[in-house]
Amino acid sequence: ILNVEQSPQSLHVQEGDSTNFTCSFPSSNFYALHWYRWETAKSPEALFVMTLNGDEKKKGRISATLNTKEGYSYLYIKGSQPEDSATYLCAFLQGAQKLVFGQGTRLTINP
Amino acid sequence: NAGVTQTPKFRILKIGQSMTLQCTQDMNHNYMYWYRQDPGMGLKLIYYSVGAGITDKGEVPNGYNVSRSTTEDFPLRLELAAPSQTSVYFCASSYSQGLSLGYTFGSGTRLTVV
Repeated sequence: ILNVEQSPQSLHVQEGDSTNFTCSFPSSNFYALHWYRWETAKSPEALFVMTLNGDEKKKGRISATLNTKEGYSYLYIKGSQPEDSATYLCAFLQGAQKLVFGQGTRLTINP
Repeated sequence: NAGVTQTPKFRILKIGQSMTLQCTQDMNHNYMYWYRQDPGMGLKLIYYSVGAGITDKGEVPNGYNVSRSTTEDFPLRLELAAPSQTSVYFCASSYSQGLSLGYTFGSGTRLTVV
């Protein structure tokens, strides 16, 4: 089983500030990289699925980039709002059949 | 469109008891998965299925069994519950292997084994 590492584990950001965090994954045998948003007491919801090196995806104030050659992805949140408080998970598609998840970055937005 | 439905939402089991966690999806997804979430450990894959009649082990399959007799249903069976199986269990499904669309998750089952 391959490791997917996310950093930092937790992050506190002031409302209105922008922030970013990292997902590291094996650079070999790459199929896809997923990002999920997971609010407390709810289930994870898919944000992005990225497959191409250099890919950049955007949804509102949230965007993500992908570097498959060096094995990392960044998630950016611009102008953080309290509703952005959640755990953000990345997951690496191993063997084109199953996702291996990182432990998540817990983001708290302070008003 | 209900998505992925898990039952029950909560359950307390005694050591050695058995139970089945139910999961059903109405999106005609071929791929279904069972994950468990332990504090600080992220989601760990227990079993997965790529279609009716086909199942395979994930990272932490010991103590669990699954079946996939229909496209819609993917129950997870605990035969002899142990305290180490105390966790939150999530069922998920996907249309493809995850190359284009993300997984759809159920709302989870919180299981405590005492």
